[in-house]
Amino acid sequence: DAKTTQPPSMDCAEGRAANLPCNHSTISGNEYVYWYRQIHSQGPQYIIHGLKNNETNEMASLIITEDRKSSTLILPHATLRDTAVYYCIVRGGSSNTGKLIFGQGTTLQVKP
Amino acid sequence: GAGVSQSPSNKVTEKGKDVELRCDPISGHTALYWYRQSLGQGLEFLIYFQGNSAPDKSGLPSDRFSAERTGGSVSTLTIQRTQQEDSAVYLCASSLEGGRVAFFGQGTRLTVV
Repeated sequence: DAKTTQPPSMDCAEGRAANLPCNHSTISGNEYVYWYRQIHSQGPQYIIHGLKNNETNEMASLIITEDRKSSTLILPHATLRDTAVYYCIVRGGSSNTGKLIFGQGTTLQVKP
Repeated sequence: GAGVSQSPSNKVTEKGKDVELRCDPISGHTALYWYRQSLGQGLEFLIYFQGNSAPDKSGLPSDRFSAERTGGSVSTLTIQRTQQEDSAVYLCASSLEGGRVAFFGQGTRLTVV
């Protein structure tokens, strides 16, 4: 599975959009980009995933560049409860186990 | 059930004892994963089940660790002769099949004293 690179930490003001970047320059054509988050002491929570088109759900939007080498997770109106570690994971391709390989993620701190 | 259920939520054991951790996946999910997370660290993959078989055991750290799954449902992770470095949160996830969206339980916090 492709390696991802994320900034270790970010701050965001409450009510503003949080834009979390992820680089995955070695992604292959059939690999998906997944985002999870982990709020302190809880299990990881699935947020969103995509292949090449932008995706939106009730939690967030996922913007994938045309060359698929990077993506951005957007939380449109961040709240204090969005403070968490956010993981960008590339998954799929030749692996049929679907195991998720977690990196260190981005710690997002939403401030009042 | 509505989500992945793990038990116990907390377990304190003495060094050298064996422990069993249980995972009840979401009903109908054929794929099941175990991970562990040591304090302040990222998630480390342990083992993947598809049905009752485990085609990927590559993350099990030693032969003291084993896991089984019965009836394509409940899974048990067993750690024999526990060591202090085994202290961690053990997380289970399940998905409809390998490669589909995986949902995690809340984990079992294991403390070896």
